Amino acid sequence: AQTVTQSQPEMSVQEAETVTLSCTYDTSESDYYLFWYKQPPSRQMILVIRQEAYKQQNATENRFSVNFQKAAKSFSLKISDSQLGDAAMYFCAYRSAGTNAGKSTFGDGTTLTVKP
Amino acid sequence: AAGVIQSPRHLIKEKRETATLKCYPIPRHDTVYWYQQGPGQDPQFLISFYEKMQSDKGSIPDRFSAQQFSDYHSELNMSSLELGDSALYFCASSFRQGQGYGYTFGSGTRLTVV
Repeated sequence: AQTVTQSQPEMSVQEAETVTLSCTYDTSESDYYLFWYKQPPSRQMILVIRQEAYKQQNATENRFSVNFQKAAKSFSLKISDSQLGDAAMYFCAYRSAGTNAGKSTFGDGTTLTVKP
Repeated sequence: AAGVIQSPRHLIKEKRETATLKCYPIPRHDTVYWYQQGPGQDPQFLISFYEKMQSDKGSIPDRFSAQQFSDYHSELNMSSLELGDSALYFCASSFRQGQGYGYTFGSGTRLTVV
């Protein structure tokens, strides 16, 4: 079974600065997908960014980018120019790419505080 | 754009009662997932359906059952409710064949068992 580990329960960043949230995972599969989800106080789960394991290029979505290190099984999220609205719980998630796959396994989450 | 619709948003039940949670996926999404998120915890996978058939099962208690209907909406039925069932229940939908795309989550149903 796959596991996802987020070693930082809480992180804080000054507004306009950059913060990196870490995520590691354990799998024996070679093909899979990785995601970062954001859960603000409203509790709505929002997809932030995704990465296909077979792609070496790191995904980028505006101020959000990932550092995907497949050999190290690491998938960190970098938030640049942090904004107050970025304050939320961030979950890293793993999803198999097999034909019978579908469910995602989530990490424990990292609570990000943005200081004005 | 249409999102995943969950109803009700909030539900309060007493112990040993029954609850039914509903989920309406995004149109043309063929897969529905149910997750349970306790306070301060990560979402735990309960069960999923693809094309109206159960496709995977996680840590879902025997007291819970679910199904996906012909219009692709899904219902999670919870019986003999316990205090520990109090949680946020998320439904998410996706394309089965588009596994590279993340889920679209509903806003969740907050169940409180008293």
